[in-house]
Amino acid sequence: AQRVTQPEKLLSVFKGAPVELKCNYSYSGSPELFWYVQYSRQRLQLLLRHISRESIKGFTADLNKGETSFHLKKPFAQEEDSAMYYCALRGGGSNYKLTFGKGTLLTVNP
Amino acid sequence: EAGVAQSPRYKIIEKRQSVAFWCNPISGHATLYWYQQILGQGPKLLIQFQNNGVVDDSQLPKDRFSAERLKGVDSTLKIQPAKLEDSAVYLCASSLGPGLGRGNYGYTFGSGTRLTVV
Repeated sequence: AQRVTQPEKLLSVFKGAPVELKCNYSYSGSPELFWYVQYSRQRLQLLLRHISRESIKGFTADLNKGETSFHLKKPFAQEEDSAMYYCALRGGGSNYKLTFGKGTLLTVNP
Repeated sequence: EAGVAQSPRYKIIEKRQSVAFWCNPISGHATLYWYQQILGQGPKLLIQFQNNGVVDDSQLPKDRFSAERLKGVDSTLKIQPAKLEDSAVYLCASSLGPGLGRGNYGYTFGSGTRLTVV
């Protein structure tokens, strides 16, 4: 079974402060992990994926298989980062479906 | 490229009524997904199509929900009869399809249909 846990429903930081959104997963095989973001009144969109090892909008995330975590980090938060963030896991098999966490609402205060 | 199109954007119905949602995926995307997102929760997969065949419908409440993708392109999701707990945003997504290698999945979401059952 695939499961994604985002322990924080809400996270509030000040502009310029570091931010870390936590994500833990449960999966018996070798998963692919993603972070999706939904800005106010916009559709759900991909932020980054672990397989690309990329940094998007200053965000990075490292897959830690030992701790089964994929935390999203940014050293200096901006007000425009305020949004809903979802961690998602894609397993193997024949369907490659995405399993989402419940999401964390990030608010960056001025 | 055009995105994933969904209609209607909003729908309000009374319980026990029927409702249908429509999705037109990105051209060439073989895989189509319907997700249900209840307020305060992450999206939950209802059904996945590969072309016009069902790959996964394990979480679809089949006593009231049905979906089809007859020609392997656009899809409809129907609820009959609706219950109060069906109030949610219904998201459609499409991708090139599995089997193309890890990471090459091209998942794109539509704007969703917000359903309110009263």
